[in-house]
Amino acid sequence: SQTIHQWPATLVQPVGSPLSLECTVEGTSNPNLYWYRQAAGRGLQLLFYSVGIGQISSEVPQNLSASRPQDRQFILSSKKLLLSDSGFYLCAWGPRAGHEKLFFGSGTQLSVL
Amino acid sequence: AQKITQTQPGMFVQEKEAVTLDCTYDTSDPSYGLFWYKQPSSGEMIFLIYQGSYDQQNATEGRYSLNFQKARKSANLVISASQLGDSAMYFCAMREDSEYGNKLVFGAGTILRVKS
Repeated sequence: SQTIHQWPATLVQPVGSPLSLECTVEGTSNPNLYWYRQAAGRGLQLLFYSVGIGQISSEVPQNLSASRPQDRQFILSSKKLLLSDSGFYLCAWGPRAGHEKLFFGSGTQLSVL
Repeated sequence: AQKITQTQPGMFVQEKEAVTLDCTYDTSDPSYGLFWYKQPSSGEMIFLIYQGSYDQQNATEGRYSLNFQKARKSANLVISASQLGDSAMYFCAMREDSEYGNKLVFGAGTILRVKS
């Protein structure tokens, strides 16, 4: 069966520090991968998605970047965090073909202080 | 313009009663999909139900049903026989197809509280 791992679960970082959140998927090949952010009590905003290694689509201009160095690995990064980067970050995967639902990781609560 | 609109920031329902959570969407693509997810306080996203734009029947999954009105572009979630464990945030989402792959666009969510 497929599983998605996301870590860390919580993170407290000072303003200006770098960020690296990692997401890996097991049990499937060639998944579409996604990073979403959720501000407190709000909806999910799509940040990045990827249909293959090295292929990244950015939805909104921001202080963050994403990379996909391996088929089942998706990394969210920042060189210098801003206060506004605080939020709940969710990684998700979906099958390449078809119209299936997305499967979400357990999320990372990021607090930038 | 918002593509998914959930007009109810919060809803209350009495235990064992039914509740409808509203969702309207906007798309010009004839092929699309609509999803509902539940997010309890733990933060996990739990898939509830899916409706394809070409599906003739309204989708049902146990106590969940989707009232799909294509002409009105609405996809309301109906939860029957509410339980205390149904208290959570509920998100409506729409699948968008692009040359770069499929993606889900989410609404702002509705917080549901079930009262005993």
